[in-house]
Amino acid sequence: DTAVSQTPKYLVTQMGNDKSIKCEQNLGHDTMYWYKQDSKKFLKIMFSYNNKELIINETVPNRFSPKSPDKAHLNLHINSLELGDSAVYFCASSQEGLSNSPLHFGNGTRLTVT
Amino acid sequence: GENVEQHPSTLSVQEGDSAVIKCTYSDSASNYFPWYKQELGKRPQLIIDIRSNVGEKKDQRIAVTLNKTAKHFSLHITETQPEDSAVYFCAASNYGGSQGNLIFGKGTKLSVKP
Repeated sequence: DTAVSQTPKYLVTQMGNDKSIKCEQNLGHDTMYWYKQDSKKFLKIMFSYNNKELIINETVPNRFSPKSPDKAHLNLHINSLELGDSAVYFCASSQEGLSNSPLHFGNGTRLTVT
Repeated sequence: GENVEQHPSTLSVQEGDSAVIKCTYSDSASNYFPWYKQELGKRPQLIIDIRSNVGEKKDQRIAVTLNKTAKHFSLHITETQPEDSAVYFCAASNYGGSQGNLIFGKGTKLSVKP
């Protein structure tokens, strides 16, 4: 089942480059998220996006910018990539901010910055 | 903001034994507590969740208990099997506020030895 799909699955790039990760959900959910999972497996929320309202985690550098063309898509653009950005990035979605459905994750994008 | 502590970080049991993972949370307004299982190289998947109007929920070999007064909740897996080996994450959210952002614990790596 690919209810939340993200591309690419793997992304290898050099420091200083700009890259994007795409995410789409076909569950009809109204809220989408980006989570970062570091090498220690810690899952940390980066953004949530609901009805065109963006909630930004204050610890996320402004090099990271989410873009949502519609409620089924939430893409993540990263400028000037750094070594510390290497991680697995998970897109997720839910309905009405978890009040009516659990969080559904995509399969992740493993970003490696060299 | 919410802070979720999870223990232990690693847990090794013999097949057939029980496993217990414990979490505490800081925000008394939190009212939704899911548990996710993440197998190696895969996405986190919901295995069970509990909302604050119940104290216990069971699904076959998996059960979750919630103590709102003490602000802690636990995952219990009985009759463990090798396929239960994975990283387990607890999480907490106040889905009535902050658009329901889930805050995760740091995970427990469960190993079930045959």
